[in-house]
Amino acid sequence: AQSVTQLGSHVSVSEGALVLLRCNYSSSVPPYLFWYVQYPNQGLQLLLKYTTGATLVKGINGFEAEFKKSETSFHLTKPSAHMSDAAEYFCAVSQGVDTGRRALTFGSGTRLQVQP
Amino acid sequence: NAGVTQTPKFRILKIGQSMTLQCTQDMNHNYMYWYRQDPGMGLKLIYYSVGAGITDKGEVPNGYNVSRSTTEDFPLRLELAAPSQTSVYFCASRHRDRGPPRYEQYFGPGTRLTVT
Repeated sequence: AQSVTQLGSHVSVSEGALVLLRCNYSSSVPPYLFWYVQYPNQGLQLLLKYTTGATLVKGINGFEAEFKKSETSFHLTKPSAHMSDAAEYFCAVSQGVDTGRRALTFGSGTRLQVQP
Repeated sequence: NAGVTQTPKFRILKIGQSMTLQCTQDMNHNYMYWYRQDPGMGLKLIYYSVGAGITDKGEVPNGYNVSRSTTEDFPLRLELAAPSQTSVYFCASRHRDRGPPRYEQYFGPGTRLTVT
């Protein structure tokens, strides 16, 4: 079975500061990993994904994440926070083999607050 | 493309009532999913479908039913609504993979349901 743990349900940073949102996963097979963002009263939007290849992946809005197999981590970073980054962020994993449904398993989410 | 659309946006039900949450996608995706999002809990898979006429249970299917008569539509039926079904419901869809797998899902804006 696969699972996702997001450390810190709330993270607060100052505008211009580094954003670091933590995600650890467990999977019995090579995982495919995703970060989604949810703005208030909206659906989820894909920020970035890791499937195979380069372990440092870049996404939209200046975010990036690094897949570290030895640490089973996929932390999300952004060098300089902007007020518009305030949202809830979800890490998700999908098994990298055909499991029929290929559904995503989500972490519980991290709410990012950006202080002026 | 409208992407994934869901109706209604909000609904209040009384205990024991029934309703259908509508989901439509115009991207010709084979896979469709229903998730529920409870506060602080991330998203849990209710039901999924790998194509028209084929559906299967996810993690939390009790109290729900689905059908998939067309590629575009994947309605979720609540029979005998209970307060435990108060949640935000998201529909999602994805392509069948041809070539390198992608796995990312596209989400609708959600339906906020309250059962009192």
